Amino acid sequence: SAVISQKPSRDICQRGTSLTIQCQVDSQVTMMFWYRQQPGQSLTLIATANQGSEATYESGFVIDKFPISRPNLTFSTLTVSNMSPEDSSIYLCSVEMGSGELFFGEGSRLTVL
Amino acid sequence: GENVEQHPSTLSVQEGDSAVIKCTYSDSASNYFPWYKQELGKRPQLIIDIRSNVGEKKDQRIAVTLNKTAKHFSLHITETQPEDSAVYFCAASWFRGNMLTFGGGTRLMVKP
Repeated sequence: SAVISQKPSRDICQRGTSLTIQCQVDSQVTMMFWYRQQPGQSLTLIATANQGSEATYESGFVIDKFPISRPNLTFSTLTVSNMSPEDSSIYLCSVEMGSGELFFGEGSRLTVL
Repeated sequence: GENVEQHPSTLSVQEGDSAVIKCTYSDSASNYFPWYKQELGKRPQLIIDIRSNVGEKKDQRIAVTLNKTAKHFSLHITETQPEDSAVYFCAASWFRGNMLTFGGGTRLMVKP
């Protein structure tokens, strides 16, 4: 298994600002992902965070809005840029350890006013 | 890309009854089908998964069945308990846990 720490756990932000979410894993992992869970909704993959190269974004998500860093095999950040109320969601970091199982962080609950 | 449909969106059962949640997927190349449970305010956690080379898998009170021809899979919970109350998500991918596409979720309520 993996222990995944996300910071912040929650935040309230003003429209037009940006917030960076950090994800720290207790062991080196190859596959690291960022998901979004809008209120009462399912999980939607934003991007795969690739170590040493640009993230791979899913349809509907772009680097300018959700820049991602992956400086090493245990850490990643997701920035939500120029926020609007529609960005209010839970953002979840997840990792895959090679068994197929996805482990999720506790999530970062973002409210944009 | 993959599309996963999940039914029902809400399910209410009496404690001790069985619960069944069904999912269909669109990509015939998908070969890995996990189920996640998310309790209120908590992270999703894997409860069971199945790969395309088997038709059924059991773990105590939960079981998953897969019909690759029809492209659907189901979660079965027997002897439900109040602590089974949560949102359940099915998912599908073509490669282990990579690129998982999740269903819309089922809110299960077990009434004591």
